[in-house]
Parts: sequence; C-alpha cells; structure tokens
Amino acid sequence: AQSVTQLGSHVSVSEGALVLLRCNYSSSVPPYLFWYVQYPNQGLQLLLKYTSAATLVKGINGFEAEFKKSETSFHLTKPSAHMSDAAEYFCAVRQTSYDKVIFGPGTSLSVIP
Amino acid sequence: SQTIHQWPATLVQPVGSPLSLECTVEGTSNPNLYWYRQAAGRGLQLLFYSVGIGQISSEVPQNLSASRPQDRQFILSSKKLLLSDSGFYLCAWEGTSSYEQYFGPGTRLTVT
Repeated sequence: AQSVTQLGSHVSVSEGALVLLRCNYSSSVPPYLFWYVQYPNQGLQLLLKYTSAATLVKGINGFEAEFKKSETSFHLTKPSAHMSDAAEYFCAVRQTSYDKVIFGPGTSLSVIP
Repeated sequence: SQTIHQWPATLVQPVGSPLSLECTVEGTSNPNLYWYRQAAGRGLQLLFYSVGIGQISSEVPQNLSASRPQDRQFILSSKKLLLSDSGFYLCAWEGTSSYEQYFGPGTRLTVT
C-alpha cells in the first residue's frame, strides 16, 4: 500500500535561507509524486510533479524537488526563502493513474524575517 | 483554461440542519471529481470521488453524501449536521489523462 511521510510538521527558516521540506514515500513501483502548497483559507495549488521523466523537477515560485528512487524520497527545496513562502506544504503520491492520490500530513513552513 | 468554483465560501450552520455545498468545473469535459475535508490543523481526508455522472464512491462512512447530477457539477450534502462536520471542504478535479488534481478555493463550514 502507498503511504507518504513528511518529516517535521513545522519548519522554520530565516528569510534568505535554504528551504528543505522532506518527503518519503512507500510504493511497490516508481510512483507519480507531487508537491502542493496551501496558503491560509485557500485551496491547494500544485507546485510541481514527477511523472517518470527528469528526476530533478522544477516548479513554480523557485521550488524544485529531486526524485531519489534508492532513498524513496522526493524532498522539496528552494535556495532562498521569501516571506511569501510561509504556507502549508503537502507531498502526495500516486502509484498509477487508476489509484487514488495519497497525501502526506503536511509541513507548515514559517519564514522568519 | 480550466476553472473550479465552490460555494459558499463560508457557512455557519446549527447542529441538525441540512447542508448543501456545490462545486462546478469549467473548461474541461468528463473530469474525475473529488471532495476532501480538512479538520483544523489536520491533513486532507478524502470523502467522495466520482468518475462520471451518477457514479459516486464513498471513502468514509458518515452522515455526508455526494451527488453528481451533471458532468461538471459535484454536490456534497447532509440531512443533519454534526459538530464533527466542521472543517474546510475542498473540491478537486483531474483530467482523465493526467495524474495531478486541481483544487477549488474551499468552503469553511462551522457547525454550532
């Protein structure tokens, strides 16, 4: 069965510092992987997706994520945090197009000025 | 381009009252549609999904129901709300040939 874990329910970084949000998945086959961002009182917005093409995926707002099969990880990074990056971030996995999407519990990112 | 609408944006309802939340999608045909709920400070809980008109699958047995009367319309209902129904309700759609989901703006429901 698929599952997603996100290490750290809350992450704080200083403005301008590196953002690293961790995501590990379990899947019997290489899955489809996603990162979503949710700002307060809004719906989720797709940041980026991995669908078995390049292992380094670039998304919106300067975020990128790297698929590492050997580590079953799909960590999200951004070189320099901005105040506007403060939000909830969800990692999600889908084994095939016929399976449901499984969302991780989310990581709340705070950016300290 | 595709757009997804949800209304109302916020709703305050007393315990025992009925509920109807509506979701509509524009700019696509035959989407898969989903209802999720987020309790305060929690993750996403899948409630219902639909792959076509009149086809509803329930993930969690509870006092909620869903219907899809038209291709791009998805409705979440309840006959009698409970306090535990409070939360942020999100509708999402996906294309039949894509893997990612796109979310609406959500409805904040408070049951008093």
